[in-house]
Amino acid sequence: NAGVTQTPKFQVLKTGQSMTLQCAQDMNHNSMYWYRQDPGMGLRLIYYSASEGTTDKGEVPNGYNVSRLNKREFSLRLESAAPSQTSVYFCASNGGFGGHEQFFGPGTRLTVL
Amino acid sequence: GNSVTQMEGPVTLSEEAFLTINCTYTATGYPSLFWYVQYPGEGLQLLLKATKADDKGSNKGFEATYRKETTSFHLEKGSVQVSDSAVYFCALIRNSGNTPLVFGKGTRLSVIA
Repeated sequence: NAGVTQTPKFQVLKTGQSMTLQCAQDMNHNSMYWYRQDPGMGLRLIYYSASEGTTDKGEVPNGYNVSRLNKREFSLRLESAAPSQTSVYFCASNGGFGGHEQFFGPGTRLTVL
Repeated sequence: GNSVTQMEGPVTLSEEAFLTINCTYTATGYPSLFWYVQYPGEGLQLLLKATKADDKGSNKGFEATYRKETTSFHLEKGSVQVSDSAVYFCALIRNSGNTPLVFGKGTRLSVIA
């Protein structure tokens, strides 16, 4: 079991460029999440998908789009990157709401110049 | 709404010192409570959890008790090691309905030999 995997691990973009962060899980989990982590801010939820075919906005969705491609994969897209999106991005999954542990990927460190 | 407040760091301790990291929460209903740990350069991993009042979660010498009367879930360890240096996050999730995990802002712990 690989758990939750993310690609790429590191990325540098110029302002205005676009990119997609990939996330996959092999635990047959229903729910998947994207967070960003900034110094002093903890983890902030960007988008989540409670089940295949559904997505919902989290705390900080502006500037991002997501796609739940299938049960395993949940991607995060930056259409026009801005320096304020420089952050570490974590994907997570769990079996569903209601007290279930979330499993996290190793993170993608993104720098926007 | 649901929220988690944890003590601000950084916390610096000598090896074998006693650790307490305070966490209080606000939630509707009866949430499950978690402590996650993030080691340098890694994603978050579950340290311990408690799903109902008076439950005690424990793992790797760490403990936390779900106190409904004080809405708290303080993390404790009797004797810290250098290898415990990490960022610790308190989190909650409702046990019903479709709401994601809510995190505190994290507390950085540094243990010096």
